[in-house]
Parts: sequence; structure tokens; C-alpha cells
Amino acid sequence: AQSVTQLGSHVSVSEGALVLLRCNYSSSVPPYLFWYVQYPNQGLQLLLKYTSAATLVKGINGFEAEFKKSETSFHLTKPSAHMSDAAEYFCAVSAGQGAQKLVFGQGTRLTINP
Amino acid sequence: DVKVTQSSRYLVKRTGEKVFLECVQDMDHENMFWYRQDPGLGLRLIYFSYDVKMKEKGDIPEGYSVSREKKERFSLILESASTNQTSMYLCASRRDRWDSNQPQHFGDGTRLSIL
Repeated sequence: AQSVTQLGSHVSVSEGALVLLRCNYSSSVPPYLFWYVQYPNQGLQLLLKYTSAATLVKGINGFEAEFKKSETSFHLTKPSAHMSDAAEYFCAVSAGQGAQKLVFGQGTRLTINP
Repeated sequence: DVKVTQSSRYLVKRTGEKVFLECVQDMDHENMFWYRQDPGLGLRLIYFSYDVKMKEKGDIPEGYSVSREKKERFSLILESASTNQTSMYLCASRRDRWDSNQPQHFGDGTRLSIL
């Protein structure tokens, strides 16, 4: 069975600082991995996805994530935080090709300090 | 762009009522999903469907049922609402049944309160 652990339910950084949101997964087969963002009172939007083509994945709004199989991690980073990045971020794993379901982490709320 | 529309943003119902949450997608997607979102628990899958009249239980189906009579529409039904079903409900769709490389597309959610 697949599972996702997001380390830290709340992360706070200063505007202009590095953003690092941690995600570790468990999967018995090569996974597909996703990061989603949720702004207040909205649904989830896709930030980026890993599908085995490249280990470093670039997404929207300057975010990127690196797939590290040896560490079973898929951490999300952004070099310089902006006030508009304040939101909740979810990591999700799918159990490879043919899987119907996504398993989500519990979410990390990102706060940006001016 | 894919559009997933949930019929209500906010809904208040009473204990014991039968509650319907509606979701429509406009891109002929095969898969549709219902999740509930609670603080600290992330998103938990209630039911999903991969075709008209087909449904599969997710991780927390108890107290819920679903209906998919048309490909574009997926309804979540609370047979007899209880206070522990107060939550945010999110609908999602995905293009292909078997291509899990495809992302899910989400509606804006329905915040349901059961009094």
C-alpha cells in the first residue's frame, strides 16, 4: 500500500527566503508523485508531477521538486518566497501505471512573513 | 482548461437529513472522485467512479453513497447526515481510467455543516 508523510504541518519563512516543504513516500511499485497547492476557499491546483522522465521536476510559480529514490523523498522547493505563496501544500502518490487512486499527505500550511 | 463545478460552496443541513452534493466536469473525463478534507488529515477518498453506473469504495465510504448516471456528473449522497460528517468535500476528475500519470482536477469544494 502507498502512503505519504509530510514533515511539518506548518512552515513559516520570510519573504525572499528559501521554501522547503518535505515529503516522504512509501510505495511497493515505482510511483507517480504530485504536489498540489490549495489557496484559501479554493480547490487543489497541480503544481508539478514526477513521472520517471527526470528526477528534477519544474512546476508553476517557480517551484521545483527532486525525486530521490534512495531516500524515498520528493521535497518541494522555491528559491525565494513571495507573499502570494501562502497556502496549503499537499504531496500525493499514485501506485504506478494503472492505479486509480491518489494517496495524499496531511498537508503543510506555508506562512510567509513580510 | 478543465472545469470541475460543485453545485454549492456552502451548505447547512440538519442531523438525519438526506444530503446531495453534485459535481459536474466538462472534459469528458472517465474518472471522478469524492474526497473529504479535514484539518490535519489531508484528503481522504470516499468513493470514485471510472464509468457511468460504476463505482468503487475509497478509504472512508461508511455513511455515504454515490451516483453516476451520466459521464459528466457524479453525486455524493449522505443517506442520513450526522454531525461527524461536517467537513469540506472536494470533487475531482481525471481524464483516463488507466493512465495514472494524469493529474486529478479539482472543484472549489463544498463546505458542509451538519447541525
